[in-house]
Parts: sequence; C-alpha cells; structure tokens
Amino acid sequence: AQSVTQLDSQVPVFEEAPVELRCNYSSSVSVYLFWYVQYPNQGLQLLLKYLSGSTLVESINGFEAEFNKSQTSFHLRKPSVHISDTAEYFCAVGRSNSGYALNFGKGTSLLVTP
Amino acid sequence: DAGVTQSPTHLIKTRGQHVTLRCSPISGHKSVSWYQQVLGQGPQFIFQYYEKEERGRGNFPDRFSARQFPNYSSELNVNALLLGDSALYLCASSSDRGNSPLHFGNGTRLTVT
Repeated sequence: AQSVTQLDSQVPVFEEAPVELRCNYSSSVSVYLFWYVQYPNQGLQLLLKYLSGSTLVESINGFEAEFNKSQTSFHLRKPSVHISDTAEYFCAVGRSNSGYALNFGKGTSLLVTP
Repeated sequence: DAGVTQSPTHLIKTRGQHVTLRCSPISGHKSVSWYQQVLGQGPQFIFQYYEKEERGRGNFPDRFSARQFPNYSSELNVNALLLGDSALYLCASSSDRGNSPLHFGNGTRLTVT
C-alpha cells in the first residue's frame, strides 16, 4: 500500500513571498501524483497532476510541482503567492494498478498574509 | 457544463439512524468515487463505481454501501450511524476508471448527534 506524508500542517507566508509545500510518498509500484486545493466549504479542485513524461508540471495559476522518483517526493512550489492562494492543499497518490482509489495526505494549510 | 452535484448539502442525523447521500456526475463521466473527509484530515477513499459496478472499496465497515444507476448517478448509504461518521462526504467523477483526474463536488456535511 502507498502512503502520503505532507510534512507541514500549516505554512504561514507573506504575500508575494515564495512558498514550498512538501509531499513525500511511499509506493512499490508506479504512481500517479496530484495536488488538490480546497477552499472553505468547498470540494477539492485539481491543481496539477503528474502521470508520466516531464517531471516538472505546472498549473495555470503559477504553481508547479516536480516529481522526484529517487526521493519519492512531489513538492508544490510557487515563486510569489497571493492572498487568494490561502486554502488547504492536499497531495494525493494513485497506483497504476488500483483503478482510481487516491490516497490523500492530511493536508497543508497555506495562510497568506499582507 | 454543470459540475458534480451532491445533495443534500447539510444533514443532521441521530446515532443509529441511516442516511442516503446522492451524487450526479459530470455529463459523460462514467466513474463515480466516494470519499469521507473528517475535519482536519485528508479525504479517505470509500468506494469507486464504474459502469454501474463496484471497482474498488476502501477500509470501511459493511454499514457503508453504495450503488450506481444507469444514468451514472450514485447513492451512498450508511446504516446504524455512529458519532464518528460525522464528516464531509465527497463525491468525485471521472471519465474512466483509470488515471483521469477526479472532479469533486462540494460535498455533503453529515453531523451525527
């Protein structure tokens, strides 16, 4: 079975500063990796995904994540955050042979202040 | 296009009762998955249905059951409710049973008293 560890439960950061949200996973088989964002009282929205190919994936709102197989990591980064990025961020792993059962981390709360 | 819709949005039940939660997937999506999100935690996988058949089940007791209808909508049923069943129940749809991204609804907030 795979597990997902999000190393920081809360990350406070000032507006326009860079941020990194860390995610490590463990799995013995090929995996698919995702970052989802959850705003208060809403469901999860897909931020970006790694399925195969280039290990650096980008979202339309400036976030990027890099799949590092040797370190089993998929850290999320943004060079300059906005107040509107305040939300809960979840890293998730799916196995290539499990259909579509995602295993989520416990989440990282990103709080952006002026 | 409408997204994934879930009903009701909020629900309060008493211990021992049963509950039915409903989900309509995005048009054209044949796979529906259910997740339980306890406050302060990440979502936990409960079920996946694809083409009206159960394709996966998480580590939940038999009190939890689900089904998918010919129009691909789905119901999640929970019997003999416990206080610990209080959570946000999320439904997600995808176009296939593989690695297509999940599209989540806004969830049903279940409170068991």
